[in-house]
Amino acid sequence: GQQVMQIPQYQHVQEGEDFTTYCNSSTTLSNIQWYKQRPGGHPVFLIQLVKSGEVKKQKRLTFQFGEAKKNSSLHITATQTTDVGTYFCAGSRTSGTYKYIFGTGTRLKVLA
Amino acid sequence: DTEVTQTPKHLVMGMTNKKSLKCEQHMGHRAMYWYKQKAKKPPELMFVYSYEKLSINESVPSRFSPECPNSSLLNLHLHALQPEDSALYLCASSQAGGFTGELFFGEGSRLTVL
Repeated sequence: GQQVMQIPQYQHVQEGEDFTTYCNSSTTLSNIQWYKQRPGGHPVFLIQLVKSGEVKKQKRLTFQFGEAKKNSSLHITATQTTDVGTYFCAGSRTSGTYKYIFGTGTRLKVLA
Repeated sequence: DTEVTQTPKHLVMGMTNKKSLKCEQHMGHRAMYWYKQKAKKPPELMFVYSYEKLSINESVPSRFSPECPNSSLLNLHLHALQPEDSALYLCASSQAGGFTGELFFGEGSRLTVL
């Protein structure tokens, strides 16, 4: 079945350092979404990428979708303590499907 | 604040009990989802309803029974659960048809099975 892996599993950074999480799918994706889940919270949508090679930015966050549409990345510049949480990618194999498979997640801790 | 409301927030039940989890949204979304999340794991898709009809069942055991009474409500009926079913149960909603777009998650119902 479809698998979506993320690396690293955990990341501790000093506040102000950059952070990147990588998402890799075993199959080609139609689109990919990114979510953030704070400790004790629920997943909150960050962004959706649809096009091959797409790059989107949200303030300090940069999202990329690979050319082959099998991988994606999230880069945070100059992390802040508010960035703490687990970042999940969620991929869909088919356009118009409701089946989003969540990646394994990357847990980010930011040390002040 | 989330626009998807789940009740109860916490539930403790024995293996012989029957209980229900409830989810409500008023965003006009016609797709609603149940996800299960164990500690330090990603959400796992259980069921999807689209236009009040069951669209996806990810081979979930029959002790979990979903119900979508109308376009705003989603229930998950629980019966004869096992301790390993203890988890956070997340409800989500989205637009239906074509591009579903963003999933809006509720805060979840934390279930403990004794």
